[in-house]
Amino acid sequence: DIVMTQSPDSLAVSLGERATINCKSSQSILYSSNNKNYLAWYQQKPGQPPKLLIYWASTRESGVPDRFSGSGSGTDFTLTISSLQAEDVAVYYCHQYYTISALTFGGGTKVEIK
Amino acid sequence: EVHLVESGGGLVQPGGSLRLSCAASGFTFSAYWMNWVRQAPGKGLEWVASVKHDGSEKYYLDSVKGRFTISRDNAKNSLYLQMNSLRAEDTAVYYCARDGEAAGLYFDYWGQGTLVTVSS
Repeated sequence: DIVMTQSPDSLAVSLGERATINCKSSQSILYSSNNKNYLAWYQQKPGQPPKLLIYWASTRESGVPDRFSGSGSGTDFTLTISSLQAEDVAVYYCHQYYTISALTFGGGTKVEIK
Repeated sequence: EVHLVESGGGLVQPGGSLRLSCAASGFTFSAYWMNWVRQAPGKGLEWVASVKHDGSEKYYLDSVKGRFTISRDNAKNSLYLQMNSLRAEDTAVYYCARDGEAAGLYFDYWGQGTLVTVSS
């Protein structure tokens, strides 16, 4: 199975500052036939289900603020919150959907206000 | 508006069985892959199972193969998870999630989840 490793486990960022979360896959999740990276990012707030933020590594879901962006290709990916807002406090997960028979998530990154 | 509502969770003894249901509305259910994802208390997300639009393909997490069965009834807009031989490590909130619009198995809508507790 493809192992997804997120870093850091947690980070504290001042309001208005940039937050960067990394996600590394144990093998490439770039599908050569369509040049798409099979990676999504989710935000989960306490007591709520996850919410889709980004798919295909960099496509923002409708309604997601543009301060959220995804980048990377192959095995290394990044979720960036350009200017952290109070409502962004949450746990963030990456997810690979390259292997349809064995979908996997990263361990999560907790984002807090400094 | 898309709605996914899970039900059927509860307390069950080790070795017991439960059947989870997910009622879908607000979209053409038969056009989407559907999935179960779980989250143990205080832990991260773990994919459990997926089923194709017409039920012809099904995939499972290795640790639940042979014990869990995913199914769907497109006439009733419903997704199911039959869970047998339950273990303490199956204790989690179980979410029903819809396949994304752009033909990839990411999850664009999630239910609120149903809690399954396996304990004696």
